[in-house]
Amino acid sequence: NAGVTQTPKFQVLKTGQSMTLQCAQDMNHEYMSWYRQDPGMGLRLIHYSVGAGITDQGEVPNGYNVSRSTTEDFPLRLLSAAPSQTSVYFCASSELRGGTDTQYFGPGTRLTVL
Amino acid sequence: DAKTTQPTSMDCAEGRAANLPCNHSTISGNEYVYWYRQIHSQGPQYIIHGLKNNETNEMASLIITEDRKSSTLILPHATLRDTAVYYCIAQTTGGGNKLTFGTGTQLKVEL
Repeated sequence: NAGVTQTPKFQVLKTGQSMTLQCAQDMNHEYMSWYRQDPGMGLRLIHYSVGAGITDQGEVPNGYNVSRSTTEDFPLRLLSAAPSQTSVYFCASSELRGGTDTQYFGPGTRLTVL
Repeated sequence: DAKTTQPTSMDCAEGRAANLPCNHSTISGNEYVYWYRQIHSQGPQYIIHGLKNNETNEMASLIITEDRKSSTLILPHATLRDTAVYYCIAQTTGGGNKLTFGTGTQLKVEL
C-alpha cells in the first residue's frame, strides 16, 4: 500500500490564484481530513469527510473548499489564494476499528502564497 | 474534547528511557488518550492510544493514572531517530478525523 499520497510536494502561488491540492489513499478508509500547520504550531483541522459525498467544516475552513466523490480521493481547493494561506498542508485518513481509530498522514504540501 | 498540557521541550540521552508527561485533568470518560509524533515537519505518525489501562506496543508504552487525569508516554530505549515533536491528544471514540493538536513536546535525543 502506498498509504496517503499528496501532490504537489511544493507550490508557490501569487495572491488571487487558485489551485487544488490532491490527496489520495489506498487503504479504503472512510474518514479523510485536511489540516494546516503554520510554523511552530500544531496542526489545525480545515475540513473533514466521514465518507463519499459527505464533508464538513473543521476549525479553520474559510478560503477552502472540499468535495469527496470517491472513497480514495479528497482534494482541497483554494479559490483565491492569500498570503495568510502560506502553510504546510497535511491530509489524513482513518477508519474505525475496535471502537477506536488512528489517523495516517500524508507527507504534506508546502504552499507559499506571494 | 479535553485540553491537554505538555512540557515544551525535553532532552534524553540515547539508550535511556524517555518519559513524556501529559496532563488532561478535564478528560471525560469516553475520551481516549492518543499519542502522535512528528519528525522534521513530516506528516504526524501514530504511536499509541489508551482509555484507562496501560498499553504497550512495538514503539512505546502508555501509562495512564488511575484517575485518568494524566499519562506518560515511555520510549524505553530512545535513539537519535526518536527526536521529534510528540503530541498528546484526548479524543472521543470515532473522532479520529477531528484531532485537536496542541504544540506538543519537542524531544531531543542526544549522544
